[in-house]
Amino acid sequence: SYELTQPPSVSVSPGQTARITCSGDELPKKYAYWYQQKSGQAPVLVIYEDTKRPTGVPERFSGSSSGTMATLTISGAQVDDEADYYCYSIDNSGLHRGVFGGGTKVTVL
Amino acid sequence: QVQVVQSGAEVRKPGASVKVSCKVSGYTLTELSIHWVRRAPGKGLEYMGGFDPEDGEIIYAQKFQGRVTMTKDTTTDTAYMELRTLKSDDTAVYYCATDPLRGYPDYWGQGTLVTVSS
Repeated sequence: SYELTQPPSVSVSPGQTARITCSGDELPKKYAYWYQQKSGQAPVLVIYEDTKRPTGVPERFSGSSSGTMATLTISGAQVDDEADYYCYSIDNSGLHRGVFGGGTKVTVL
Repeated sequence: QVQVVQSGAEVRKPGASVKVSCKVSGYTLTELSIHWVRRAPGKGLEYMGGFDPEDGEIIYAQKFQGRVTMTKDTTTDTAYMELRTLKSDDTAVYYCATDPLRGYPDYWGQGTLVTVSS
């Protein structure tokens, strides 16, 4: 079955840049999406269709994609950005099922 | 603005079924579709099924095929997810999320805790 691979954890100092990667064989053909989930809360969409930011999401969140890797960048990370981040995409092999990456815990300290 | 409200927490015994509801407001379920995702304790998000933009049908993750049914009532703009033959490792928070008919979860409900325990 199709898999998206993320690093388990990323640490960053306040004000610095955090980059979270997501690798998957179908990413050259399918968009990547990124979700932020804080402890005890529902996930929130922060990037859609590789690079687009929903209304209300701070500009410090940006997305990019090249080849088999998508990247979520948090520029000038804040303590409030500490959360689990998940990439999402669609399996392009026949039955277009959604799949999440394993998640990345971002620690800001 | 889309709002999504799910039904309350449930407790079931192994082998039983559970049906979670997801009420949408601000838009209708003819304008949006629904995905279902769960998060078990200590684990990440797990996709269960939802809208396939290629053919407009509901598609289920292989792991849940045959054990889950996702339906919707467009007269009340409420979606449902029924999971059968529950096991202890089905204990999780279950989320529904809307989809603007483009194949991805957008706005999420608050989550429904389902506990499976004898």
